Amino acid sequence: QQPVQSPQAVILREGEDAVINCSSSKALYSVHWYRQKHGEAPVFLMILLKGGEQKGHDKISASFNEKKQQSSLYLTASQLSYSGTYFCGTAMNTGFQKLVFGTGTRLLVSP
Amino acid sequence: DAGVTQSPTHLIKTRGQQVTLRCSPKSGHDTVSWYQQALGQGPQFIFQYYEEEERQRGNFPDRFSGHQFPNYSSELNVNALLLGDSALYLCASSLGLGEGRENIQYFGAGTRLSVL
Repeated sequence: QQPVQSPQAVILREGEDAVINCSSSKALYSVHWYRQKHGEAPVFLMILLKGGEQKGHDKISASFNEKKQQSSLYLTASQLSYSGTYFCGTAMNTGFQKLVFGTGTRLLVSP
Repeated sequence: DAGVTQSPTHLIKTRGQQVTLRCSPKSGHDTVSWYQQALGQGPQFIFQYYEEEERQRGNFPDRFSGHQFPNYSSELNVNALLLGDSALYLCASSLGLGEGRENIQYFGAGTRLSVL
């Protein structure tokens, strides 16, 4: 079943923060976050494994709440380059993984 | 180090025709997955190949078939094209049997298929 992402869209001023959520009704093994700009390939941001770890690099971080089967992506001090559509992809097992993607969150960062 | 490459970038076909899309995985990767992305939607899993065999399949009809070659490259074939097959077709490569952290899928830029 497709994970639900919220919000569907968000507009930020440069320097503002945003949180994007991804919720699943099924038990997950991992959550994968991607950013896709128009006409380009989805770019891998980070992977969260079950166990509730939090990860981050630069000003983008993410968490995975195993009890709630929910992951959140945190964008702090947003930059113009953060604009794009963010997708979470969920996997229910290790090994060969098919990712089930959410419908995406469109983020626009303006000057 | 070349990433995932797909060809062609754009393709226009008519209903009923057949199409073949190609993908070369990232260097060192042995698993290829194919996804269909309709406009404004997230990618939908079609199937996954490892060691030249289809390992997993999504909810797509048999008109969608694939192949993986000994050099790990892959093809996606779609027969009897329908208008609804118009979409961006994405290929992703990964390491098939690694631990969870290694199962990161890297995407190519995709092939935009238009069916008229």
